[in-house]
Amino acid sequence: EDKVVQSPLSLVVHEGDTVTLNCSYEVTNFRSLLWYKQEKKAPTFLFMLTSSGIEKKSGRLSSILDKKELFSILNITATQTGDSAVYLCAVTQAMEYGNKLVFGAGTILRVKS
Amino acid sequence: DAGITQSPRHKVTETGTPVTLRCHQTENHRYMYWYRQDPGHGLRLIHYSYGVKDTDKGEVSDGYSVSRSKTEDFLLTLESATSSQTSVYFCAISESPWRGSNQPQHFGDGTRLSIL
Repeated sequence: EDKVVQSPLSLVVHEGDTVTLNCSYEVTNFRSLLWYKQEKKAPTFLFMLTSSGIEKKSGRLSSILDKKELFSILNITATQTGDSAVYLCAVTQAMEYGNKLVFGAGTILRVKS
Repeated sequence: DAGITQSPRHKVTETGTPVTLRCHQTENHRYMYWYRQDPGHGLRLIHYSYGVKDTDKGEVSDGYSVSRSKTEDFLLTLESATSSQTSVYFCAISESPWRGSNQPQHFGDGTRLSIL
């Protein structure tokens, strides 16, 4: 059965801390791994990773993929209260007529001021 | 932000009634998707469309049907709603893969559906 597992389920940190969110996967027909941030409404796209060992960065956020060990991490440095959200990991799985996303349950991050 | 509009944004209805949710996009993307989000399950794919009149099932398609008569609109119908279909429903769109590259999916703001 295809699955994506995120850890921890939730965490609380103080502003300025660095956090690491984990995502492991077992998904057939893997195409890519994506990270999304979800506040109150729509998940918003953060990163797409297709190759092992190549870090993607956007400001204080960065992510890397290990296709041999089947996991990815999302790092957030110098956290701010605006980083509080649910972070979703998803794997793109090839289907007959396109791609499908297999999601993890998410990590709830709360940043305290 | 991707031009995706979901309607209605909230709906409360009774068991056994039909319900239709609408997703409208202004991006002219080929692919459209319907997901449901439930606590502890993340988002799960219900149905998707790879073109006008072309649709296929996802992992939780039982009890749902879809239609796509125009590129910009993708409808999700619950023929006879049940309490287990209470959920938040998200529509997503993506471009066609280009030269084998992947394209991320972008999401609408969701419809909160409660079935009593």
